[in-house]
Amino acid sequence: KNEVEQSPQNLTAQEGEFITINCSYSVGISALHWLQQHPGGGIVSLFMLSSGKKKHGRLIATINIQEKHSSLHITASHPRDSAVYICAVNKGAQKLVFGQGTRLTINP
Amino acid sequence: DADVTQTPRNRITKTGKRIMLECSQTKGHDRMYWYRQDPGLGLQLIYYSFDVKDINKGEISDGYSVSRQAQAKFSLSLESAIPNQTALYFCATSDSRGPTGDNEQFFGPGTRLTVL
Repeated sequence: KNEVEQSPQNLTAQEGEFITINCSYSVGISALHWLQQHPGGGIVSLFMLSSGKKKHGRLIATINIQEKHSSLHITASHPRDSAVYICAVNKGAQKLVFGQGTRLTINP
Repeated sequence: DADVTQTPRNRITKTGKRIMLECSQTKGHDRMYWYRQDPGLGLQLIYYSFDVKDINKGEISDGYSVSRQAQAKFSLSLESAIPNQTALYFCATSDSRGPTGDNEQFFGPGTRLTVL
């Protein structure tokens, strides 16, 4: 079993919908990351969090350390949000363990 | 200019050939990483380096070697490429000197490698 599991693996929605992507992990961590991989392949960091909630524009990330679970929310989704969203955790020594990614498609 | 660059961006080669992928960074970060990404799988760590004299194997180092020529440069070599090394390869950097020590990693644009 993967140490980091994301759900769903694929998600298609209409423009304007509220999106939730989930991440569960089975190991002790010091931080959790949400990354975005564009269709061209590049990866950018969206959030790094170790507790609570962070917000950037229309994106919100939450983490529940006790339940070993994090969610990434997108409000008022737009076609340009279409990408693969990747959850990753710091197990230690700055090494990251990655989930398989969630492919999000937002249709106009 | 991009902070983390990779060359080449795309490469097609034949089985048995030696291939080198290069990564350079202008962020001044001390830590550098090489990952591979296969369809349907998460990124997997090949090698990582915490400074010029500190090189460590990751989860899938067999068939690969690395060289940290300077703080800003980290190269990945495939000594004798095989088809199942066809993948997207990413270099990343991080800075150990942040307040928590668990800083975010900054990724290069990736190198798409095809081994025929």
